[in-house]
Amino acid sequence: KQEVTQIPAALSVPEGENLVLNCSFTDSAIYNLQWFRQDPGKGLTSLLLIQSSQREQTSGRLNASLDKSSGRSTLYIAASQPGDSATYLCDRRPGGTSYGKLTFGQGTILTVHP
Amino acid sequence: ETGVTQSPTHLIKTRGQQVTLRCSSQSGHNTVSWYQQALGQGPQFIFQYYREEENGRGNFPPRFSGLQFPNYSSELNVNALELDDSALYLCASSSGPKQTQYFGPGTRLLVL
Repeated sequence: KQEVTQIPAALSVPEGENLVLNCSFTDSAIYNLQWFRQDPGKGLTSLLLIQSSQREQTSGRLNASLDKSSGRSTLYIAASQPGDSATYLCDRRPGGTSYGKLTFGQGTILTVHP
Repeated sequence: ETGVTQSPTHLIKTRGQQVTLRCSSQSGHNTVSWYQQALGQGPQFIFQYYREEENGRGNFPPRFSGLQFPNYSSELNVNALELDDSALYLCASSSGPKQTQYFGPGTRLLVL
């Protein structure tokens, strides 16, 4: 059973659009949730980290929200640019003794056309 | 750039061989986690090392093993390679088991 699910799997939009990427998780007992960006064949770059006590985090054109009760996080990208094209991954860090085990979704592949 | 480095960047092996991948953690970090990322999938947690001890393990067989050295760099060893082991192997370092993880660029392993 998929513990972390990301929707949509892929998204292709023209430049300038505002975007919403969704991440849902089955276990609401989380320590924190993090959004990453991954360029093709590369490692992961951290975008935003939301602690379990927080509701949202913002960095520039990015805003991430967390709703533990519904098991959901949303990444909002404003005024998208071609440079935003990448795979976006969310990961849930569980609480308790499993805190080292990040659980990733499969990612959303974003393409922004000029 | 996160300061986490991995070597080699690419590797080709044949089925049944053994491989060692290396990771140098960011300065000041004492924790290293390893992940396997198959094509088109999210990373899967292999294990974590904290101060030279294994601190958690995912659903990987014992032929996946690791080490962490006194300088907190780490190795991932995979014995008896299988075709399905072909993947991008990522390591991430952090200042503690619960802290934000910073990822290296990965090692791409191809098993023929």
